Amino acid sequence: AQSVTQPDIHITVSEGASLELRCNYSYGATPYLFWYVQSPGQGLQLLLKYFSGDTLVQGIKGFEAEFKRSQSSFNLRKPSVHWSDAAEYFCAVGVSGTYKYIFGTGTRLKVLA
Amino acid sequence: DGGITQSPKYLFRKEGQNVTLSCEQNLNHDAMYWYRQDPGQGLRLIYYSQIVNDFQKGDIAEGYSVSREKKESFPLTVTSAQKNPTAFYLCASSFPGDSGATYNEQFFGPGTRLTVL
Repeated sequence: AQSVTQPDIHITVSEGASLELRCNYSYGATPYLFWYVQSPGQGLQLLLKYFSGDTLVQGIKGFEAEFKRSQSSFNLRKPSVHWSDAAEYFCAVGVSGTYKYIFGTGTRLKVLA
Repeated sequence: DGGITQSPKYLFRKEGQNVTLSCEQNLNHDAMYWYRQDPGQGLRLIYYSQIVNDFQKGDIAEGYSVSREKKESFPLTVTSAQKNPTAFYLCASSFPGDSGATYNEQFFGPGTRLTVL
């Protein structure tokens, strides 16, 4: 069965430090992959997506993610974190031909001043 | 501006009552979705609709009902049969392209927080 795993429930980084949030997926075919961000009490906003082509994807707010088929991973990175990046981050996979998306359980990011 | 609206933002329900959560989109998207979000559990799919007058159960449909009479609207009713309805509810839409293709992202509304008193 398809699944998405985000191993880190909470991550704390200092402002200005680099960030990597992990995402692993289980899916037989080429996956459609997404990262979303959610501020408290708000909806989700798309950061970036991958469905084909270049495996390094650039997104909004200075985020990027790299698709590694051999590791079934789609980790999100940012070279220098800002206090406003504190939020919850969700990785998701689109299941081809089903209209459905599967979400990970999320990683909550805390940024120290 | 195009987007998805949900109302109300906060909703309180007494036990035994049915309540309806509103979701409207003006993105001209065919597909619409309802998710339930609980702390530490991510987003769980309640119902989704590929097209007007058609919808499918998701992973946790028991105690919920939906309708899709217009392309723009996908209301969710939380019935008294839902034993633990206190949660944050998110509506989303997408343009699925051909045959349910999910390479396009979902657009989310701001959510409704439902609390049972």
